[in-house]
Amino acid sequence: DSGVTQTPKHLITATGQRVTLRCSPRSGDLSVYWYQQSLDQGLQFLIQYYNGEERAKGNILERFSAQQFPDLHSELNLSSLELGDSALYFCASSGGIAGGQGGELFFGEGSRLTVL
Amino acid sequence: LAKTTQPISMDSYEGQEVNITCSHNNIATNDYITWYQQFPSQGPRFIIQGYKTKVTNEVASLFIPADRKSSTLSLPRVSLSDTAVYYCLVGDSFNTDKLIFGTGTRLQVFP
Repeated sequence: DSGVTQTPKHLITATGQRVTLRCSPRSGDLSVYWYQQSLDQGLQFLIQYYNGEERAKGNILERFSAQQFPDLHSELNLSSLELGDSALYFCASSGGIAGGQGGELFFGEGSRLTVL
Repeated sequence: LAKTTQPISMDSYEGQEVNITCSHNNIATNDYITWYQQFPSQGPRFIIQGYKTKVTNEVASLFIPADRKSSTLSLPRVSLSDTAVYYCLVGDSFNTDKLIFGTGTRLQVFP
């Protein structure tokens, strides 16, 4: 158990709809990261928040948005959903800014989104 | 952020040692090298991190040559449960604009 909690685990919806994915980071972690992984694809970095503020942005579509709340949980909002948005969406957290010394990322189990 | 290059896939048999090499020619002075393991439909899991020379933990060893332009993850005596995708990630704490995992190396272990 990484300590990162993601809900819902599975979500099925229709094209054009909007969904919200939720992530609770490990206790004390200030950074939250969102990744998208389509079938048999690598991990696509979407966005990072650090202590409530956007820190870095990757290949996130304009239809997607995210935020980190004062209690440090984060939500990823996906709107005007398309078939191609079907994927596993992972949230990860780290104590500081990941990548450097001690910057280990802890991943949740993911939210599997299916758009029909 | 330094770009990384890994083999797309590797095959091995149980009990063998597996070495997966990652190239990162543009690694910067402040960059660390981190390896993750991912099983199907699960989030990646941290394996090991290093800056230079050799690092060893209970799971793997990481070898980094003096020029740091590559690194090798060594898995001793692999088992079927080591079948997974392995990602090499290079970055630092101060200039992390994008945490790009790349395509990773798909390791298949056969009995």
